[in-house]
Amino acid sequence: DSGVTQTPKHLITATGQRVTLRCSPRSGDLSVYWYQQSLDQGLQFLIQYYNGEERAKGNILERFSAQQFPDLHSELNLSSLELGDSALYFCASSVGDRDPYNEQFFGPGTRLTVL
Amino acid sequence: QQQVKQSPQSLIVQKGGISIINCAYENTAFDYFPWYQQFPGKGPALLIAIRPDVSEKKEGRFTISFNKSAKQFSLHIMDSQPGDSATYFCAAFGQGAQKLVFGQGTRLTINP
Repeated sequence: DSGVTQTPKHLITATGQRVTLRCSPRSGDLSVYWYQQSLDQGLQFLIQYYNGEERAKGNILERFSAQQFPDLHSELNLSSLELGDSALYFCASSVGDRDPYNEQFFGPGTRLTVL
Repeated sequence: QQQVKQSPQSLIVQKGGISIINCAYENTAFDYFPWYQQFPGKGPALLIAIRPDVSEKKEGRFTISFNKSAKQFSLHIMDSQPGDSATYFCAAFGQGAQKLVFGQGTRLTINP
């Protein structure tokens, strides 16, 4: 168990809908990262927050947004969902900010299915 | 330039054999190369990592070999066990990219 929790575990929704994925980092970790894992794209970095502020942005669509709250939990909002958004979404956390040597600990993921 | 290419996509090895997974990169600004192990239904977990100032790092049965001039690195799993059956991802990080860039993954199966 990495100490990172994600809810829900599974989510099934329809095209055009909006969903929110939630992540709680390990105790003491200030950075939260979001990744999308699909069969054809592999693991893709979406966005990173550090202590409530956006730190780095990857291949995140404009329909997606995220935020990190004062208690350090984070939410990833996906709107106007399309079939191609079906994937596993992982949250990871680390102690630090830009130091790559701070290990990222991954949560168990949320499996999103868009029908 | 931000890509990391990983091969093979899938690999079957007999118990006790050596599993070898290869990765190649283009961006010379990458300076940290971790390998992640992912079991079905779980998130990836850091297995071993290397920085480009060394050519090899060994932790138990797992070894990373790094060739800076060829911009390649590989994971060797010695005495492979059925419990090693998982998907393995190589990754790279550089200060310029500010993010971990992952390879496409290798599904490793160790036959008993």
